[in-house]
Amino acid sequence: DTAVSQTPKYLVTQMGNDKSIKCEQNLGHDTMYWYKQDSKKFLKIMFSYNNKELIINETVPNRFSPKSPDKAHLNLHINSLELGDSAVYFCASCRQAQETQYFGPGTRLLVL
Amino acid sequence: AQSVTQLGSHVSVSEGALVLLRCNYSSSVPPYLFWYVQYPNQGLQLLLKYTSAATLVKGINGFEAEFKKSETSFHLTKPSAHMSDAAEYFCAVTPQGGSEKLVFGKGTKLTVNP
Repeated sequence: DTAVSQTPKYLVTQMGNDKSIKCEQNLGHDTMYWYKQDSKKFLKIMFSYNNKELIINETVPNRFSPKSPDKAHLNLHINSLELGDSAVYFCASCRQAQETQYFGPGTRLLVL
Repeated sequence: AQSVTQLGSHVSVSEGALVLLRCNYSSSVPPYLFWYVQYPNQGLQLLLKYTSAATLVKGINGFEAEFKKSETSFHLTKPSAHMSDAAEYFCAVTPQGGSEKLVFGKGTKLTVNP
């Protein structure tokens, strides 16, 4: 009965590969996010979707493409992975703006 | 634009001692403020939030924070630290009635010594 789940939990891959991370929430929330946490634990928002519509798109390379097939899912596809993409990626959701965001357990991506 | 400054990237206290984690914010409009906790290898969990009601906010696990507009602060306190409080703590701000973007501070790692 996990509220926000992410798969995979760990992802080790080679530079240049393409990979996807999946996120699902069963809270009935309208808004979902992707955050990147770097090696110094700094958290930065990447994308936000509301009802499958892109709301926030921070200055993220075009190699990152989010996709929301429905309100409960927000996936992140990364093309041509680079060493600097190594980080922990967190998915989050909330009912509406300014309300509490619920975070997934994170996906630890290591690019070799 | 909103920003958050957390003073002290590392704070170390003894078990039973007062915990004080500092957070100062900058916001051009009235803010909502949050404290999240991250235990090792886990996601973030909400501790408490200020949404313009009471300025003293009580959260889970005995934590509380006070919103002080004059000082633009939202410091997190707990009277008596427990070993299980060891974690990374993040302060975050978002504007009231504005975009949904939540801006995080750089985090404070709390160590609790026996």
